[in-house]
Amino acid sequence: KAGVTQTPRYLIKTRGQQVTLSCSPISGHRSVSWYQQTPGQGLQFLFEYFSETQRNKGNFPGRFSGRQFSNSRSEMNVSTLELGDSALYLCASSRGGEQYFGPGTRLTVT
Amino acid sequence: GENVEQHPSTLSVQEGDSAVIKCTYSDSASNYFPWYKQELGKRPQLIIDIRSNVGEKKDQRIAVTLNKTAKHFSLHITETQPEDSAVYFCAASLSGGGADGLTFGKGTHLIIQP
Repeated sequence: KAGVTQTPRYLIKTRGQQVTLSCSPISGHRSVSWYQQTPGQGLQFLFEYFSETQRNKGNFPGRFSGRQFSNSRSEMNVSTLELGDSALYLCASSRGGEQYFGPGTRLTVT
Repeated sequence: GENVEQHPSTLSVQEGDSAVIKCTYSDSASNYFPWYKQELGKRPQLIIDIRSNVGEKKDQRIAVTLNKTAKHFSLHITETQPEDSAVYFCAASLSGGGADGLTFGKGTHLIIQP
């Protein structure tokens, strides 16, 4: 069974721009969660989607948003990028509680 | 919200010795506690997890213990090997890791000395 995939793997953007990241979960998994990983703050929960509905959201500003499609694929969007948004963005898919992570998208904001 | 503290931040052990990493959590309603291993440049990998109705779980050289009263849980690795070198994260969740997301500790960098 294929694992969680994320695209793109690397991205360089300029302050003020917006970015969209994509995540394809493991087949059969309907829950997709997003996390931000930075050296200073560690791994932080952004939000979780299940059956196209956001069920929970972490403590991030409204510039961070997401959505999920009927095939369970998910996207997250960050608008008006700031230097502090530079991070590894990880998605994780789940069916019964255990979360399995994708390889991440490394976003650099210059 | 939930807060997870993890210690130590760095742990160096001789190959073949045991390693123990400890975490405490703040929300007594948390009921799911996974551990992830992340090698440099790679994704976090789930290595073992435990739910609040169980006190201990073992998988070969890895074991996790949970003390609900004290709100702490620990990862034990025995007979450490060079491939155990990585950053280990503990986490806690209210809903088994699904809807409520995982709250992670800051990580422990485990170094296995040859």
